[in-house]
Amino acid sequence: GAVVSQHPSRVICKSGTSVKIECRSLDFQATTMFWYRQFPKQSLMLMATSNEGSKATYEQGVEKDKFLINHASLTLSTLTVTSAHPEDSSFYICSATNTYNEQFFGPGTRLTVL
Amino acid sequence: QKEVEQDPGPLSVPEGAIVSLNCTYSNSAFQYFMWYRQYSRKGPELLMYTYSSGNKEDGRFTAQVDKSSKYISLFIRDSQPSDSATYLCAMSSTSGTYKYIFGTGTRLKVLA
Repeated sequence: GAVVSQHPSRVICKSGTSVKIECRSLDFQATTMFWYRQFPKQSLMLMATSNEGSKATYEQGVEKDKFLINHASLTLSTLTVTSAHPEDSSFYICSATNTYNEQFFGPGTRLTVL
Repeated sequence: QKEVEQDPGPLSVPEGAIVSLNCTYSNSAFQYFMWYRQYSRKGPELLMYTYSSGNKEDGRFTAQVDKSSKYISLFIRDSQPSDSATYLCAMSSTSGTYKYIFGTGTRLKVLA
């Protein structure tokens, strides 16, 4: 149990385009979902906290107009990177929290912006 | 000072050794303590989840929490090459959004 999926696993896009990443909790309902960014050989950097039916809470320094988060249901959250640029290239990981406050992570999405 | 401190390693041990991984923290409000394993280019996998102080054992893994010292440990017995990964500690308080604060991760290499 406690499986979280992400789609796509890898995406390459041109500068200026928008990219949507989906995060789904497959076998449980997530009270909260989180979006992280990770650079090579570095730890996870929390970008935003997402609750179903409400606006996401962004961490300091994260542009909410650039990283749009939609939490449509208790099992689905999406992150859209708008007008992507090469500096947005990174590994994006979501997590979903169950009612016991355990966070389960997705496999990650590697974004490369050319 | 960071809220959570973790030695980045790398830590190299021979197969079969007992591995000790540690984190220290400064925020006394932390009540939940977690250990994750992350393989290269993969999402973190939850290994251990503990509340407050004490020990918890699961197979070859033992997690210890010493709140008086603000120190947590993960022990891996009979380490295997497949245990080679980055181990992240994480902590959370009981209030607010329950977001986790992560350590930087320790890279472990178990040599065959």
